[in-house]
Amino acid sequence: DTAVSQTPKYLVTQMGNDKSIKCEQNLGHDTMYWYKQDSKKFLKIMFSYNNKELIINETVPNRFSPKSPDKAHLNLHINSLELGDSAVYFCASSQGGREGQNEQFFGPGTRLTVL
Amino acid sequence: AQSVAQPEDQVNVAEGNPLTVKCTYSVSGNPYLFWYVQYPNRGLQFLLKYITGDNLVKGSYGFEAEFNKSQTSFHLKKPSALVSDSALYFCAVRDIRGSQGNLIFGKGTKLSVKP
Repeated sequence: DTAVSQTPKYLVTQMGNDKSIKCEQNLGHDTMYWYKQDSKKFLKIMFSYNNKELIINETVPNRFSPKSPDKAHLNLHINSLELGDSAVYFCASSQGGREGQNEQFFGPGTRLTVL
Repeated sequence: AQSVAQPEDQVNVAEGNPLTVKCTYSVSGNPYLFWYVQYPNRGLQFLLKYITGDNLVKGSYGFEAEFNKSQTSFHLKKPSALVSDSALYFCAVRDIRGSQGNLIFGKGTKLSVKP
């Protein structure tokens, strides 16, 4: 069984479009994250969400918004896509995120290409 | 500012030889340190972590890492490398500014193990 899953795996779209990436975890974790990995493989946190608290990396444009319908899902919505949004986006989850001691489990990634 | 440095972009090792992938950190207070591995076109997989206690930490696939407070280092090691160890390795430190265990990643080190 997949622990953290993402759909779609690949997403190709035009500039200006709005798109969503879905993430689900079946580990019962209470904290979920979104990361962006650029073409140089550099990983950067975008959001973390723990039940009621959303923490946003200040460098993330407000065109990006996470939405959590329930504890097992944290979807990523992107409005008005730009060329620079092309990257691989990873979802992750962990338990007891507030303490920061537990490892994070990553999804397989979604490769977004904006044309 | 908190940061993690991986000084080598690439490490080349012959199969059967010991390997070391270097990581140094800069944080205030006690660091929570992690190593992750990323195989091509896959998500990150947790290898090991240091939270407290014994400075030598053992993890998955025969890897280990040594926490050295005086040198602010957390180098990843393996006594005998396998070709299948070839991958991208990330060192990470918990971001103490946040409350949800966000990670700050190094830029990654590509490990290449030749037969």
